[in-house]
Amino acid sequence: DAGVIQSPRHEVTEMGQEVTLRCKPISGHDYLFWYRQTMMRGLELLIYFNNNVPIDDSGMPEDRFSAKMPNASFSTLKIQPSEPRDSAVYFCASRFASGGAVTGELFFGEGSRLTVL
Amino acid sequence: GQSLEQPSEVTAVEGAIVQINCTYQTSGFYGLSWYQQHDGGAPTFLSYNGLDGLEETGRFSSFLSRSDSYGYLLLQELQMKDSASYFCAVDSNYQLIWGAGTKLIIKP
Repeated sequence: DAGVIQSPRHEVTEMGQEVTLRCKPISGHDYLFWYRQTMMRGLELLIYFNNNVPIDDSGMPEDRFSAKMPNASFSTLKIQPSEPRDSAVYFCASRFASGGAVTGELFFGEGSRLTVL
Repeated sequence: GQSLEQPSEVTAVEGAIVQINCTYQTSGFYGLSWYQQHDGGAPTFLSYNGLDGLEETGRFSSFLSRSDSYGYLLLQELQMKDSASYFCAVDSNYQLIWGAGTKLIIKP
């Protein structure tokens, strides 16, 4: 069974450009999370969805960031316009947790390494 | 607020035992998880404690005391490949609250 799939793995862009990161969660998982990781700030939760509905987007840095989950098998994180301080590794993760089936396990994708020049 | 505290760095010798502690203060608690992350890689799940006590998985064990809001990860028979960052995370209302991570340095 394929794990969480993210694309692109690496993205180098110039300040002001739009960036779109993509994620395909594990089939059957009902929660999807977007994280950002940097040396300075560690692992930050940006937003998470339950059954395709955004539940908490309080971690989204500002209006330049937006995320969508149009269906159970696809999500995007968009940055427009991008800035150098957005440079980070962006992880998508998914889990199945409905009905109280909580085991603590999140399945992470390999991450998208973004560099904004 | 919600917070997890863990040491930023721990150094140990190959073949030895090391314990990484984690204390937490969160609203909502289902359990404590541990993740391993190698440089350049993604976090991968190691263990989960939903109840007090010790959980053992091979060379790794994890302990939880809910009354003390405390847990630890124990790594035995350390190998060089165990060099990585280790994160504790509290499962709270279906999302995870993360510690800042502990970098484990293993010396030959």
